[in-house]
Amino acid sequence: GENVEQHPSTLSVQEGDSAVIKCTYSDSASNYFPWYKQELGKRPQLIIDIRSNVGEKKDQRIAVTLNKTAKHFSLHITETQPEDSAVYFCAAILNSGNTPLVFGKGTRLSVIA
Amino acid sequence: SAVISQKPSRDICQRGTSLTIQCQVDSQVTMMFWYRQQPGQSLTLIATANQGSEATYESGFVIDKFPISRPNLTFSTLTVSNMSPEDSSIYLCSVAGAIGGTNTGELFFGEGSRLTVL
Repeated sequence: GENVEQHPSTLSVQEGDSAVIKCTYSDSASNYFPWYKQELGKRPQLIIDIRSNVGEKKDQRIAVTLNKTAKHFSLHITETQPEDSAVYFCAAILNSGNTPLVFGKGTRLSVIA
Repeated sequence: SAVISQKPSRDICQRGTSLTIQCQVDSQVTMMFWYRQQPGQSLTLIATANQGSEATYESGFVIDKFPISRPNLTFSTLTVSNMSPEDSSIYLCSVAGAIGGTNTGELFFGEGSRLTVL
């Protein structure tokens, strides 16, 4: 089955700096890679996702890149703000419709004002 | 996106008792998933619940400990049986997004049920 590794486990950045979180996956057949943000005491929520037919996707201050050959994908947050502080989870799936997401262990991001 | 309601939102339970968590979705969905999130940890899949069939459990989880019901396309329950302090966790119900009947892969989560076992 799929295995997702996520690094770093914790990350502290100064407000305004960029943050990068990296994940690797094991199953080369996986084709859907979402990122979830979980604020303290709240449910995980999708912030951005990418499918295997593209290499990069942007949405305002966040972007995700995918390297299928190396089987890794990364989340990039630019101009970080205190409200970006949360736990971020990457995930991977073979989107056949019958398999659930496999999550990384999470990265606790702290943005210091 | 789906609106998912979970009950209870939190509970304090005594060792050896059982608790049933309910998950209600505002639309019909084929697949529902139950995840566990232990304190400070990631999300671990317990089982996949499909309407009209037995739930499929992941390695390390068994039906006797976590019986699941899926009576229709909008509702599911997860029971945590014979609880011990190690079962203290957040339990999350989730559903797969779909467009035109095709699973998109995206998961929508309920608010979670925070259980503390004393």
